[in-house]
Amino acid sequence: NAGVTQTPKFQVLKTGQSMTLQCAQDMNHNSMYWYRQDPGMGLRLIYYSASEGTTDKGEVPNGYNVSRLNKREFSLRLESAAPSQTSVYFCASHYQGNEQFFGPGTRLTVL
Amino acid sequence: GEDVEQSLFLSVREGDSSVINCTYTDSSSTYLYWYKQEPGAGLQLLTYIFSNMDMKQDQRLTVLLNKKDKHLSLRIADTQTGDSAIYFCAEIKAAGNKLTFGGGTRVLVKP
Repeated sequence: NAGVTQTPKFQVLKTGQSMTLQCAQDMNHNSMYWYRQDPGMGLRLIYYSASEGTTDKGEVPNGYNVSRLNKREFSLRLESAAPSQTSVYFCASHYQGNEQFFGPGTRLTVL
Repeated sequence: GEDVEQSLFLSVREGDSSVINCTYTDSSSTYLYWYKQEPGAGLQLLTYIFSNMDMKQDQRLTVLLNKKDKHLSLRIADTQTGDSAIYFCAEIKAAGNKLTFGGGTRVLVKP
């Protein structure tokens, strides 16, 4: 099992550019999540998907869209990147109960 | 105020015990977690405790939960240099699968 994988690992964008962060999990988990991590602020939930076909806003959804393409994949899109979106982005998945499994992160810089 | 709060920094000597503290506000929290993040890496689940437990021990790790005071602590016995990392506490509320994270405590282990 690869667990939770994310691509790309690093990305630099110019203000106004768009991009999609990819996430996939091979654990047959129902729930998937996108977080952003900023220094001293812990992880903040952007969007989540409780099951295939559903998505919901988290704490900081503005400027982002998501797609739950199938049970395995959950993508995060930035339509028009802004410097405030410079962050490390983590995808996670979860079945029920105990543990969320995290991907290795995508480090995004918006100039 | 924040749902989950942690102190920012802890310095400890190698071989001593470390105690990382966390407070939360929601009495409906069902599970409380401790995650470890090493530099440049994702989050790794260290341990968790169900809300009807007071204590859980797992090798060098001891989790104490005081539900009355909504206080969670993680004690690391015989702290090693490899324990230097950022530690996050997190809670899941009864109503769903969403984790709420504290801001993280950076632990520095000095030789």
